[in-house]
Amino acid sequence: DADVTQTPRNRITKTGKRIMLECSQTKGHDRMYWYRQDPGLGLRLIYYSFDVKDINKGEISDGYSVSRQAQAKFSLSLESAIPNQTALYFCATSDLSASGYNTQYFGPGTRLTVL
Amino acid sequence: QKEVEQNSGPLSVPEGAIASLNCTYSDRGSQSFFWYRQYSGKSPELIMSIYSNGDKEDGRFTAQLNKASQYVSLLIRDSQPSDSATYLCAVTAAGGTSYGKLTFGQGTILTVHP
Repeated sequence: DADVTQTPRNRITKTGKRIMLECSQTKGHDRMYWYRQDPGLGLRLIYYSFDVKDINKGEISDGYSVSRQAQAKFSLSLESAIPNQTALYFCATSDLSASGYNTQYFGPGTRLTVL
Repeated sequence: QKEVEQNSGPLSVPEGAIASLNCTYSDRGSQSFFWYRQYSGKSPELIMSIYSNGDKEDGRFTAQLNKASQYVSLLIRDSQPSDSATYLCAVTAAGGTSYGKLTFGQGTILTVHP
């Protein structure tokens, strides 16, 4: 089984709808992240969480919210979806290694289309 | 100026050649550096990490870091068609409240042709 799973893998929705993307991990990592990817723009950080009680905004958090339900679960919500939120969304996890460095591992992605 | 910038590409090399991918970063205090490979429609996959100045080799891949020049590169020797992908450079923020965050470059598309 995959260490980092995302559901759904594909979603088509309409403008104004509320959407939730879910991420679960079995790696035992404390840190979880949500990114979006648009062609030619690389990966941009939406929100991140370093533990269950810690939530932080990334560079493009407007229009998004998150919930860290447990160490293993981190959900991303679009309260009222708009077409420019059409993108590929990735969840990632990490844990500080013994050396103090922070390698991130990515889930398979969710392709979201907002019509 | 972008925080992490990669050579724009796309880069095309013949099979068996060396592919050279470059990345510069703006935060002088950055501590750790990563190269991810991403096939079309798939998630990024870590292929190299480097933390100290110099070279780090892993099979056909060599990462090179020069903190004074704020430059990190990835060399792929004996390039294969299966190496055709987008390569993402990522840099960890220096510290404080940003510690642990990765900033990604925009990616370089590599095509290895037979």
